[in-house]
Amino acid sequence: EVQLVESGGGLVKPGGSLRLSCAASGLTFSNAWMSWVRQAPGKGLEWVGRIKSKTDGGTRDYAAPVKGRFTISRDDSKNTLYLQMNSLKTEDTAVYYCTTEVVGVTVNWFDPWGQGTLVTVSS
Amino acid sequence: DIQMTQSPSSLSASVGDRVTITCRASQSISIYLNWYQQKPGKAPNFLIYAASSLQSGVPSRFSGSGSGTDFTLTISSLQPEDFATYYCQQSYSTPWTFGQGTKVEIK
Repeated sequence: EVQLVESGGGLVKPGGSLRLSCAASGLTFSNAWMSWVRQAPGKGLEWVGRIKSKTDGGTRDYAAPVKGRFTISRDDSKNTLYLQMNSLKTEDTAVYYCTTEVVGVTVNWFDPWGQGTLVTVSS
Repeated sequence: DIQMTQSPSSLSASVGDRVTITCRASQSISIYLNWYQQKPGKAPNFLIYAASSLQSGVPSRFSGSGSGTDFTLTISSLQPEDFATYYCQQSYSTPWTFGQGTKVEIK
């Protein structure tokens, strides 16, 4: 069974930084494409960005609201995904989920998802 | 970016009812459409991919249809465990985008 466990969330002041981690098990992590998706309190789901496997180029893509501030990385030796968040804004307050982006024959989809970690940006 | 619009935003239904949720894309996305279910305080759960293919283990009362810009998620006979929020998501082009969600509540 694939398990994804996020950690690193917490309270941070505007302009501050935080690094989230996502520990993966039950899959060949080095082959996996991984994404971060966030959900502001009481709101819907918003894709943050993804990193492809190294064999597929290790390309990173980001959503416009976080581009230039957030960086996704991976350590395949530790089966761990990271999200480095800098210059945080109050609107970044959300539960952050890591998820595997399954590359299907036709479409890609997100499955499974971690339990999420809450990031609160407030002074 | 491709915008995804769901309707209705919420609905009330009874156990046994047939429920239909609509998702519309701002441009044609062929069948590059997925559906997720989310219960309060929990992570989303993947239901349907490529507009109409059921993920393994998902009950057959769930079905999806559509192509191009208009898609539907149907629950043929609503069960107590189906009360949740449902999201569509396009995987045609990045940035991947989700609909705003449809909350299915108990009548």
